[in-house]
Amino acid sequence: EVQLLESGGGLVQPGGSLRLSCAASGFTFSNSAMSWVRQAPAKGLEWLSGITGRGDSTYHADSVKGRFTISRDNSKNTLFLQMNSLTVEDTAIYFCAKDRRWSTSWDTFDLWGQGTLVTVSS
Amino acid sequence: VQMTQSPASLSASVGDRVTITCQASQDISDYLNWYQQKPGKAPKLLIYDASNLETGVPSRFSGSGSGTDFTFTISSLQPEDLATYYCQQYDDLPRSFGPGTKVDIK
Repeated sequence: EVQLLESGGGLVQPGGSLRLSCAASGFTFSNSAMSWVRQAPAKGLEWLSGITGRGDSTYHADSVKGRFTISRDNSKNTLFLQMNSLTVEDTAIYFCAKDRRWSTSWDTFDLWGQGTLVTVSS
Repeated sequence: VQMTQSPASLSASVGDRVTITCQASQDISDYLNWYQQKPGKAPKLLIYDASNLETGVPSRFSGSGSGTDFTFTISSLQPEDLATYYCQQYDDLPRSFGPGTKVDIK
């Protein structure tokens, strides 16, 4: 079955760190660019980060640049998001998403995980 | 690229034709996708490249437009279409989504 399964969310204090994982199955993971998208409670979607299929290029939105790092392990079909210096504004559901066509860009997201909730609170 | 959508919400009856508009702050050609997000679920791709129907998506969904102005249409609203719909541009980084349009069934 083609799917993405996120894990690693939870409750963390402001200033803390968390590492999210996204396990992929049912498709050739290394051929797909991947992204992280988040959704704050009762809010819209925000694209955060993207990584190419080979992992040789990444992009981070300004809202997370310098605090979050996207990476992948193609040998384990797993995508990661390392989140540091968390603030209450980072409270959200975090989704991983696969690109529909390209291994080298982040354009069209045709497969999404179920999401993992990150709550930043003291 | 800033994306806007209108209306923010709408309520329509089963069988109605529903139209949502999306506007980009600059010319994005046809680099525009539409997603459906049902309550408590992940988004689902419906339309890519402004007007192409994703495989398996019912034909009552359609999209059109190019440049800065885009339209998403449900030709005959069904009960299962209760959801929030988002447009998303991929002409420029960072990728960005519209604020969403919530569709309710009367």
